[in-house]
Order: sequence, then C-alpha cells, then structure tokens
Amino acid sequence: EAQVTQNPRYLITVTGKKLTVTCSQNMNHEYMSWYRQDPGLGLRQIYYSMNVEVTDKGDVPEGYKVSRKEKRNFPLILESPSPNQTSLYFCASRRNRDSYNEQFFGPGTRLTVL
Amino acid sequence: LAKTTQPISMDSYEGQEVNITCSHNNIATNDYITWYQQFPSQGPRFIIQGYKTKVTNEVASLFIPADRKSSTLSLPRVSLSDTAVYYCLVGSNDMRFGAGTRLTVKP
Repeated sequence: EAQVTQNPRYLITVTGKKLTVTCSQNMNHEYMSWYRQDPGLGLRQIYYSMNVEVTDKGDVPEGYKVSRKEKRNFPLILESPSPNQTSLYFCASRRNRDSYNEQFFGPGTRLTVL
Repeated sequence: LAKTTQPISMDSYEGQEVNITCSHNNIATNDYITWYQQFPSQGPRFIIQGYKTKVTNEVASLFIPADRKSSTLSLPRVSLSDTAVYYCLVGSNDMRFGAGTRLTVKP
C-alpha cells in the first residue's frame, strides 16, 4: 500500500530536549516536505526536499532542521524544542516538485513541548 | 504564488449538492488548481485537480471558467462523512494552503 508514515504519532517533551520525528514514504517520490498546523493558521510549510541531499526552507523553518540522506526518509529534527513548537506536524510527499502531482500526507504527529 | 480566497465556513444538509467557490484572480498561465480535503487530526487528502473547463471524478467535480480566475468544487449529494475542511490550492511548483472552508453537513 502506498503510504507516508510518521513516528511517533504523539509526543510530549520538555523544553530543550532534542527530538526527531521520522517520516518515510514507499512511493519512490522525489519531493518531500514538512508542515505544521496550528488553529487559525492552517498548514504552513517548514522545510522541503526536492531530492536526496537537496533541502530548502519553507515558510516557517526557524527552530527546525531536516536531512535527506535517502530518498524514502525525511526526518524532522528539533534541536532545542520550545513551547511555541507545540503543534500538529504532517509529512508529505509527491512524485516531484510539479504541483500537478498528487501530494500524499502522513497521519500526523501531535507534539507538545512543556 | 497566486493567492486564493474561499469562504471560511459553509453548512449543508445530507443529500444536498454543495458548491465551494475559490477566487484566484492572479492565477498564472502554468498554475493548476487543486483541492484537498482534511478531516480532524488527519492529513489532507487529494480530491481533484484541473487546469481549465470541467473535471469530474468519483468524488467531486471541478468547474473552471474560461478566465480561470475562480473555480468551484462541487460535491454531489453530501453525507455526514463529508464534514471536513476543504482547501483550494493554486500553483505550478509551490503551493500554499490557506485557511480552507469548513463544511458542516447536518442530518
């Protein structure tokens, strides 16, 4: 089954404790991205990657890092989480950067930073 | 990037046809129009995409007038399970999610 998986689905942590949210897709997609969703603000793109070893900032990259060492994986790293990073996070992938390709989203990771 | 404007919310009843219009006055020649559906605490799901005229699939229809400055997502005979947020996106490479339209279907 074609899918995007994220782990963990739920995470409660404390300020400053480094964490990684994993994302994996099994569709051989070139393009992957991370979004955060907050009430009243919709989905905002954090980082995206057009292919292996190619990443770029989205609209709200501050406080986040990403890496793309393999085509299927695109982890989101919070080196020093803060309470304002409490949010619902979605990973997504599509065949390539062209927007006429359908974008597939993961199930989401609900992060709480105390 | 073309900015999109759509109603914040809409109410409907089971069995009715629902039309959600999205305005995108500065759409570019290469831009596609794509609609996504999102249920609470789930990732958005692709519904339909078009470039011009009319597109229909098993879920919805998308109507795009000749000037492409707007588009209308049509959901035939909605059910309670169609209650969700619907997003209109316009772009060729990068697209932005707006606030979407919160559709509530009532019994």
